[in-house]
Amino acid sequence: AQSVTQLGSHVSVSEGALVLLRCNYSSSVPPYLFWYVQYPNQGLQLLLKYTSAATLVKGINGFEAEFKKSETSFHLTKPSAHMSDAAEYFCAVSDSGGYQKVTFGTGTKLQVIP
Amino acid sequence: EADIYQTPRYLVIGTGKKITLECSQTMGHDKMYWYQQDPGMELHLIHYSYGVNSTEKGDLSSESTVSRIRTEHFPLTLESARPSHTSQYLCASSERTGLTDTQYFGPGTRLTVL
Repeated sequence: AQSVTQLGSHVSVSEGALVLLRCNYSSSVPPYLFWYVQYPNQGLQLLLKYTSAATLVKGINGFEAEFKKSETSFHLTKPSAHMSDAAEYFCAVSDSGGYQKVTFGTGTKLQVIP
Repeated sequence: EADIYQTPRYLVIGTGKKITLECSQTMGHDKMYWYQQDPGMELHLIHYSYGVNSTEKGDLSSESTVSRIRTEHFPLTLESARPSHTSQYLCASSERTGLTDTQYFGPGTRLTVL
């Protein structure tokens, strides 16, 4: 069984401030981990993914995430928030088997305050 | 840019009506998925397909049905809509990139059943 927990359904940051969105996972096998972003009235778009190579993963739009096995975490960060980063962010986990069933978290809405 | 389309984008219908939500992708992906998304909840997989003539039920019990007669087309049908079916429905397709499947999402159909 696998699951992800996103701490904080809503996060507010000031424009230019650090963005930190938290994700903890549970998996009985080595996981693959993902962050997706969803803008209003749109589908989900892949930001970045971890597949057991480098533990620090860089994605689009200046986001990055670090896989920490000891903490079972995969937190998403961006050094400086931009107004266009306001969206909902979903962490997801899949197993490394043939089917790779994906389990999504409940999402974190990011508000960027001017 | 992913080429996956959903129609209609918004639908308001009365109880008991039969509806079909359309999903098409032009990427030639074999795997396709239907998710149900409600505010504050994780995405729930309701149907998936490995390819033509393949359909499987997902984790969340659903009264909907799907078909996969062509690779590019994966429609979802509700024979008799009820208010409990009110939700956002997301279609996705995936391809294997490196070690993992990368999912591409459509913009969603927001269904309201009165």
